[in-house]
Amino acid sequence: QKEVEQDPGPLSVPEGAIVSLNCTYSNSAFQYFMWYRQYSRKGPELLMYTYSSGNKEDGRFTAQVDKSSKYISLFIRDSQPSDSATYLCATPNAGGTSYGKLTFGQGTILTVHP
Amino acid sequence: DAMVIQNPRYQVTQFGKPVTLSCSQTLNHNVMYWYQQKSSQAPKLLFHYYDKDFNNEADTPDNFQSRRPNTSFCFLDIRSPGLGDAAMYLCATSRATSSEQYFGPGTRLTVT
Repeated sequence: QKEVEQDPGPLSVPEGAIVSLNCTYSNSAFQYFMWYRQYSRKGPELLMYTYSSGNKEDGRFTAQVDKSSKYISLFIRDSQPSDSATYLCATPNAGGTSYGKLTFGQGTILTVHP
Repeated sequence: DAMVIQNPRYQVTQFGKPVTLSCSQTLNHNVMYWYQQKSSQAPKLLFHYYDKDFNNEADTPDNFQSRRPNTSFCFLDIRSPGLGDAAMYLCATSRATSSEQYFGPGTRLTVT
């Protein structure tokens, strides 16, 4: 079993839709969670960084963590064609306040069509 | 703007011909990482440096080596590239006290 599982999609939605991207993890020791956005042929860009259960909002993006079910989500409101990218969930193996390896999900390919 | 720069963006090499990929950063971060990302897969950590201390992942093949001559620069050397080494190679940096990693644009390596 992979430590972080993510449905690769692809996911195709019309402009303006609400998008829900999800990951599950197996290790209850994971405390911090990240969402990265990766445009085609580019490096990943950190979008959201959360700790503990609950919601964190940043503009059109909301990250949600449910530790009881080991489930993390990223919601995109009013999706735009410019949101078309691969979205990767990740968690730091060493915790949030130290450097070290990130364990990534496989990534979900999202296309928002006009 | 502070950033992570990778050169070249695209590299073509022949089977077995050594190749070096380069990464530089203006963030002044202590830690630099090299990831390999194959198509439709998650990035896979190869190794990282904390300052000059080198940390190799257990499953990184010996074919992959790295050098970090100073804080700003880090190199990935592939001694004898095989067809299976064709991938995107991503460099990332972080502060020692944070798990947030900042990625460069990547180098796409093709092996012919």
